[in-house]
Amino acid sequence: QSALTQPASVSGSPGQSITISCAGTSSDVGGYDYVSWYQQDPGKAPKVVIYDVSKRPSGVSNRFSGSKSGNTASLTISGLQADDEADYYCCSYAGGKTLGVFGTGTKVTVL
Amino acid sequence: QVQLQESGPGLVKPSETLSLTCTVSGDSISGYYWSWIRQPPGKGLEWIGYIYNSGSGSTNYNPSLKSRVTISVDTSKNQFFLKLSSVTAADTAVYYCARNRGDTMIQIWGQGTLVTVSS
Repeated sequence: QSALTQPASVSGSPGQSITISCAGTSSDVGGYDYVSWYQQDPGKAPKVVIYDVSKRPSGVSNRFSGSKSGNTASLTISGLQADDEADYYCCSYAGGKTLGVFGTGTKVTVL
Repeated sequence: QVQLQESGPGLVKPSETLSLTCTVSGDSISGYYWSWIRQPPGKGLEWIGYIYNSGSGSTNYNPSLKSRVTISVDTSKNQFFLKLSSVTAADTAVYYCARNRGDTMIQIWGQGTLVTVSS
């Protein structure tokens, strides 16, 4: 199972919106509505910010939103803040008894 | 509030078996999926596998690690375990235990523990 493809880095100024892409195939991202996104601060464990493509867990800011088109999922962070600076990973269900596959990870920098 | 805590040796010799324990507090371990995920230093996340703590105790392992991995559970102690045999330097990583919703998302993560494979 190959890792999903994410850009290595994305940056934006405070208050701007940024979008992180997560490219897969019809066997994973494109085949199911089970894409999740994780935020990982330096030296910390990841934390889920989006699940089932576009659902937000309780307590996660509504500045985080998710979507999917074809074989590519996206995470958008609006009103960018300094504490959004972190690594972000997508993960997709890949069917059957296959474990979910993670993306390559994206470092978000707030300028 | 459910909390997970990993424990085990931080240093393992090559060819030996890595053994970690995850202690779950704040809820019963029964009826949920429990995972191990690892992250080599400076690299991305890799799902090692999970166990479903139901009557069947079914497991699902990463095919690339399947021959070396065993995940088990002790319901009476609210703990689950990872054993990874014949380790090499490539197995050096931060190991996270987690609760997941089947194969579709990781709901809760432990803080992680660094395991270094070195003689």
